[in-house]
Amino acid sequence: AQTVTQSQPEMSVQEAETVTLSCTYDTSESDYYLFWYKQPPSRQMILVIRQEAYKQQNATENRFSVNFQKAAKSFSLKISDSQLGDAAMYFCAYRSAWPGNTPLVFGKGTRLSVIA
Amino acid sequence: DAGVIQSPRHEVTEMGQEVTLRCKPISGHNSLFWYRQTMMRGLELLIYFNNNVPIDDSGMPEDRFSAKMPNASFSTLKIQPSEPRDSAVYFCASWGRASTGANVLTFGAGSRLTVL
Repeated sequence: AQTVTQSQPEMSVQEAETVTLSCTYDTSESDYYLFWYKQPPSRQMILVIRQEAYKQQNATENRFSVNFQKAAKSFSLKISDSQLGDAAMYFCAYRSAWPGNTPLVFGKGTRLSVIA
Repeated sequence: DAGVIQSPRHEVTEMGQEVTLRCKPISGHNSLFWYRQTMMRGLELLIYFNNNVPIDDSGMPEDRFSAKMPNASFSTLKIQPSEPRDSAVYFCASWGRASTGANVLTFGAGSRLTVL
């Protein structure tokens, strides 16, 4: 079974600075998807970014980007120009590409604090 | 699209009472997932459906929990009888095409259950 590990339970960053959240996963599959979700205090789970394993190019969404290292099974999230609204719990997740519509496997999360 | 809609948002009940949580997935999404989130155990997958058919309910903690999906636009998670240890946030999520064209997992706002 696949597992997702987030080794940093808590992180903090100064406003306007850059922070990187770590995620590693274990799988024997070659085709899969990886995700980062954000959960602010409102508890809504919000998709931040998505990466397909067959794509070598790292995904980016505005201030959010990933460093996807397939061989190392690493999928870190970089947040640039951190804002107070980025304070949240961040979850890394893995999903097999086959068979279709299998569940996402989530890590335990990293709580990010942003210091003004 | 209104997104995944869950009700109620908050439920406070007494031990032994029946609790029913409801979910309306995004139209066109053919997979639906129920997750439970607690501080101690994080996000746990309870059950998921593909095309209204339950695929894996191994995450359902006990026989007190049951879930149904009578049609593509509605699902329920029922706890009978409820116990204080069932207190958690219950999320419904559906998998399918987002406005970007990519397939993603979209969460509802969650139902916070408190069993006294």
